Amino acid sequence: QKEVEQNSGPLSVPEGAIASLNCTYSDRGSQSFFWYRQYSGKSPELIMFIYSNGDKEDGRFTAQLNKASQYVSLLIRDSQPSDSATYLCAVVRSGGYNKLIFGAGTRLAVHP
Amino acid sequence: EAQVTQNPRYLITVTGKKLTVTCSQNMNHEYMSWYRQDPGLGLRQIYYSMNVEVTDKGDVPEGYKVSRKEKRNFPLILESPSPNQTSLYFCASSNNRGGGRETQYFGPGTRLLVL
Repeated sequence: QKEVEQNSGPLSVPEGAIASLNCTYSDRGSQSFFWYRQYSGKSPELIMFIYSNGDKEDGRFTAQLNKASQYVSLLIRDSQPSDSATYLCAVVRSGGYNKLIFGAGTRLAVHP
Repeated sequence: EAQVTQNPRYLITVTGKKLTVTCSQNMNHEYMSWYRQDPGLGLRQIYYSMNVEVTDKGDVPEGYKVSRKEKRNFPLILESPSPNQTSLYFCASSNNRGGGRETQYFGPGTRLLVL
């Protein structure tokens, strides 16, 4: 079992729809969770982080965390073609500073 | 401008020819790390450094070396590259306040092809 699992996609959504990206993790002790966006051939850039159970909203993005189910998700409202990218879920492994474990990423395609 | 830089950005080499990929950050970050990214496997940590002269292995350290003689620089060394080290490499840095809440900033990446 991978430490961080994501559906590779592609997830295809029409422009203006809500895109829902999911991630599960195996380390029950993990406390910090990150979503990165990566355009093809570019470096990952941080979109959001979440530490507490529940929802965290930032503009069109909402991160959701459920530690009991070891599940993190990212919702993108009003999806735009410019949101087309690979979204990486990252989890800090418990017991280690900055020990980020990445999922393989979900490719999102937003079509006009 | 706060940034992480890597050089070279693209490199084609042959098996066994030693190479170094440089990484430099101007944010005075204590923590630096190297990752490789391969299709279907995501980003995997190679080595990391908590501060000057403090380095440790990540999840895939075989075939790589690092050094941290200055706070801003963290070069990745491949003493004898092999084709299975063909990959996209990223350097990253962050503050080291602890607690796992530090944001990591990534360099632009180095695409390496070993023939």
